[in-house]
Amino acid sequence: GQNIDQPTEMTATEGAIVQINCTYQTSGFNGLFWYQQHAGEAPTFLSYNVLDGLEEKGRFSSFLSRSKGYSYLLLKELQMKDSASYLCAHHSSGGYNKLIFGAGTRLAVHP
Amino acid sequence: DAGVIQSPRHEVTEMGQEVTLRCKPISGHDYLFWYRQTMMRGLELLIYFNNNVPIDDSGMPEDRFSAKMPNASFSTLKIQPSEPRDSAVYFCASSFQAELAKNIQYFGAGTRLSVL
Repeated sequence: GQNIDQPTEMTATEGAIVQINCTYQTSGFNGLFWYQQHAGEAPTFLSYNVLDGLEEKGRFSSFLSRSKGYSYLLLKELQMKDSASYLCAHHSSGGYNKLIFGAGTRLAVHP
Repeated sequence: DAGVIQSPRHEVTEMGQEVTLRCKPISGHDYLFWYRQTMMRGLELLIYFNNNVPIDDSGMPEDRFSAKMPNASFSTLKIQPSEPRDSAVYFCASSFQAELAKNIQYFGAGTRLSVL
């Protein structure tokens, strides 16, 4: 199967740190993506992990454990503009070109 | 580059009417994807093309849906006849397989379709 699970909603305070988890099941793993989607807008690419470990990119970091089928997105120094949905996705087991998206985690950042 | 361009941004139509959504991918990209997003089902891949050829249309819900890519810079998604359950946001995305596995997809702004 190709299932992706992530929390539906999360809330956090401006300036804080939040971790959004994603677990997945796939018969052929080829990389894990995180996309950000503001309300009423298109998804935009945030990060890509294909090897285990942490990838840091400014305030955002993404972690992957292939053996556990687990990833998280870490957002530091939260800003109000970080309020958005965060979508976890992986390649279809059939190949690199088709992405399977999770339902997304809606993050609300409060002052 | 202007990014992926979709038109129209909003479409309101009556049940039974034909709807045509349009997409211009990023120049030089060799993959084009059509997605549908709803609250209930999330982001679903409908069909994708490689070098203008349809590769996987297993996500197309039924025969009322069709997609074409007559050239590298244009694609259409057509719904005929449309039904209220087709109401959703339809996204087009494109990518370039410079790095085999990474293949980042870039999304257009979407078309919000309402079928009354």
